[in-house]
Amino acid sequence: GDSVTQMEGPVTLSEEAFLTINCTYTATGYPSLFWYVQYPGEGLQLLLKATKADDKGSNKGFEATYRKETTSFHLEKGSVQVSDSAVYFCALSGGGYNKLIFGAGTRLAVHP
Amino acid sequence: GAVVSQHPSRVICKSGTSVKIECRSLDFQATTMFWYRQFPKQSLMLMATSNEGSKATYEQGVEKDKFLINHASLTLSTLTVTSAHPEDSSFYICSAPEGQKNTEAFFGQGTRLTVV
Repeated sequence: GDSVTQMEGPVTLSEEAFLTINCTYTATGYPSLFWYVQYPGEGLQLLLKATKADDKGSNKGFEATYRKETTSFHLEKGSVQVSDSAVYFCALSGGGYNKLIFGAGTRLAVHP
Repeated sequence: GAVVSQHPSRVICKSGTSVKIECRSLDFQATTMFWYRQFPKQSLMLMATSNEGSKATYEQGVEKDKFLINHASLTLSTLTVTSAHPEDSSFYICSAPEGQKNTEAFFGQGTRLTVV
């Protein structure tokens, strides 16, 4: 079945460092891909998404490109802030009613 | 974006009692909602799909009689954890897509359930 694999965390960075969180997927057909962020004690918020190959999703300085050839959707940010500390989830949807399949999540800790 | 409200955000209950969690779409109608469970430091696992006006669809391994789902209206789905036990303690979160063709799901704030 469909699945999402994320790099294991935690990831610890200094403020203004470059961030990459790897995400690869296995799916039949052409899924939509998402990154969600979960701040401590809160629910999930959509960070960015891409619905077809070569699409680039971007938001709040974060970017991810839908790479069909490598089945990847890596999350990047050029300069992280302390406020970016959270858990990041990569997810895919086969379309229709948005039944999402999540990766295990990657905890990011950014220190001053 | 659309807003999904989940209530309560935290609940502590005694073993053997039942707890109801509500999930509301505030500014749109949702014929389908999803319920997830998240164990500490783990990912979200889909429990069931809540369908307005019909029975919920449960994922494999999820006890239907344990986790009762009712989708009574186009804006409200409820999850009732019946005869709760400490192992049911978890973070429960709902989501709702806005419209059939929209690929984005909006999440509630989640409910932290602690069974003592």
